[in-house]
Amino acid sequence: NAGVMQNPRHLVRRRGQEARLRCSPMKGHSHVYWYRQLPEEGLKFMVYLQKENIIDESGMPKERFSAEFPKEGPSILRIQQVVRGDSAAYFCASQGTAPYGYTFGSGTRLTVV
Amino acid sequence: AQKVTQAQTEISVVEKEDVTLDCVYETRDTTYYLFWYKQPPSGELVFLIRRNSFDEQNEISGRYSWNFQKSTSSFNFTITASQVVDSAVYFCALWRPDGNKLVFGAGTILRVKS
Repeated sequence: NAGVMQNPRHLVRRRGQEARLRCSPMKGHSHVYWYRQLPEEGLKFMVYLQKENIIDESGMPKERFSAEFPKEGPSILRIQQVVRGDSAAYFCASQGTAPYGYTFGSGTRLTVV
Repeated sequence: AQKVTQAQTEISVVEKEDVTLDCVYETRDTTYYLFWYKQPPSGELVFLIRRNSFDEQNEISGRYSWNFQKSTSSFNFTITASQVVDSAVYFCALWRPDGNKLVFGAGTILRVKS
């Protein structure tokens, strides 16, 4: 039973480019969460999705960031026109029954140069 | 508002010393869960423990132990006989049933020197 899979593990983008981060939840999990960890800080909630629905996006920046969890395929966190301040580790977690099985992926480390 | 405070930014100990990492939380919920995670230098998040608000029994797992005290809103974590492999960032987190998301503290960097 594979865990939460995130890819890529490391991503380098130039300022102004787009970043796409992927998250495949654990088998049987239909809830996905994205968190961001800025350098030397704790994790901050960004968005909570279920299949084809955004449940809570209260932690998402208002511009340039979007997330989706389609019926088929992984959840995608998309950052348009990246800036240096977007450099961070982005973690995805998936969940079966709350709060059990809240499992994190290994994260994607985004570096904007 | 929910909040988790880890007042110790960084702790350095010598191998075999005991070390306690503090965690203080704020919530108005009567039902909640508290978590500890370890983040080693490789960067992944390793789940250590989950404790619900109705269970105040202390827990021990090998060299790890947790002291949950609702009266002081604290959930402290002790490592006995620390080892170099314990060097990591440790996060305490609070889960809200209605928010369905984790609120993390800022983390404590633990450095264990040989």
